[in-house]
Amino acid sequence: AQSVSQHNHHVILSEAASLELGCNYSYGGTVNLFWYVQYPGQHLQLLLKYFSGDPLVKGIKGFEAEFIKSKFSFNLRKPSVQWSDTAEYFCAVNEGAGSSNTGKLIFGQGTTLQVKP
Amino acid sequence: EAQVTQNPRYLITVTGKKLTVTCSQNMNHEYMSWYRQDPGLGLRQIYYSMNVEVTDKGDVPEGYKVSRKEKRNFPLILESPSPNQTSLYFCASSLSGTANYGYTFGSGTRLTVV
Repeated sequence: AQSVSQHNHHVILSEAASLELGCNYSYGGTVNLFWYVQYPGQHLQLLLKYFSGDPLVKGIKGFEAEFIKSKFSFNLRKPSVQWSDTAEYFCAVNEGAGSSNTGKLIFGQGTTLQVKP
Repeated sequence: EAQVTQNPRYLITVTGKKLTVTCSQNMNHEYMSWYRQDPGLGLRQIYYSMNVEVTDKGDVPEGYKVSRKEKRNFPLILESPSPNQTSLYFCASSLSGTANYGYTFGSGTRLTVV
């Protein structure tokens, strides 16, 4: 079965520090990749997504992610975090388009980011 | 405003008392899904629906039922809730089943079963 692994469960950074959150997935075929953010007490919101093309994807709020197919990875980065980035971050994977695709997103366990002012 | 609306936001119930969590989307999305979120486990899919009258089990369907009689609505039914169903539930929708567009999530329903 497909799985998604996020290596960091809890990350604490000071404002202006750089961020990188790891995400690895197990599926060997074509994939669609997503990062979602969940602010305290809120629902999940899409940060960015990758379907094809340029493996460096830019999202909202200064976030970006790089798809490295050979490493089955899709790490999230931000050069300089702010206190308002405090949230939980989820990596998710969906099989690429095809007759067997059920539309299911498989989520990682999540990474809690705490940014100290 | 395009959105997925879940109700209620919070619910405390007793073991065995049937309940329904409603989910409605106003974006004419074909695909809808229910997830539960538990600490350390991320989000796990309960049921999904590719279109009206088409539903199927996700990864953790035991103890849940769904229906999709109209395109906009996808209620989650717990016929006989148990304490292990205490969780945070999210409804999500997508334009199509391939999820290429990403999901739009509802605000969540925090359910406590005592």
